[in-house]
Amino acid sequence: DAGVIQSPRHEVTEMGQEVTLRCKPISGHDYLFWYRQTMMRGLELLIYFNNNVPIDDSGMPEDRFSAKMPNASFSTLKIQPSEPRDSAVYFCASRNRRTSPYEQYFGPGTRLTVT
Amino acid sequence: SQQGEEDPQALSIQEGENATMNCSYKTSINNLQWYRQNSGRGLVHLILIRSNEREKHSGRLRVTLDTSKKSSSLLITASRAADTASYFCATVLPYAQGGSEKLVFGKGTKLTVNP
Repeated sequence: DAGVIQSPRHEVTEMGQEVTLRCKPISGHDYLFWYRQTMMRGLELLIYFNNNVPIDDSGMPEDRFSAKMPNASFSTLKIQPSEPRDSAVYFCASRNRRTSPYEQYFGPGTRLTVT
Repeated sequence: SQQGEEDPQALSIQEGENATMNCSYKTSINNLQWYRQNSGRGLVHLILIRSNEREKHSGRLRVTLDTSKKSSSLLITASRAADTASYFCATVLPYAQGGSEKLVFGKGTKLTVNP
């Protein structure tokens, strides 16, 4: 299994630009999570999906952030417009509730820098 | 907000020594998990301990849980240079208290094992 795949691995953009982060979960996993990691705030859950449906987006910082999961093998996290304070590492994780009720499998992350 | 708080924030030891990291949390939990993060990589699940368990072993890892003190410890025995990483505890709240699939992470302990 290839594991959770994220792209791009690094993204540098200017303030005000739209940023789209992509995630391919492990095949067969029914949960997908988006996290953000910063030195100040640590690892924060932004949103998670179950069977492609958003379940809890209470961690999404503001309306500039949106996430979609059009099918079981693809999800996007979009920031529009981006701001310097959005600079962080964004992780996607997935899980199969039947085979591993609590363990999450993380992707390598996307390091976002907004200048 | 952070549920778990790891202690110490950083730990430096020599190869072959044991490393102990602690995690305190604030509310009741369903289970507590430990994850490892190598520099520039995603998190990897190490071990899970349920609220009704007191101790668990996996290879060189030993985890304890004291629900009365709301604390857990991770012991790595006979450490190796390859154990150098950040270690995070993560809690899952009981379903009856609104817990679901969410992991709430602490800020981590950065472990350095010197050859």
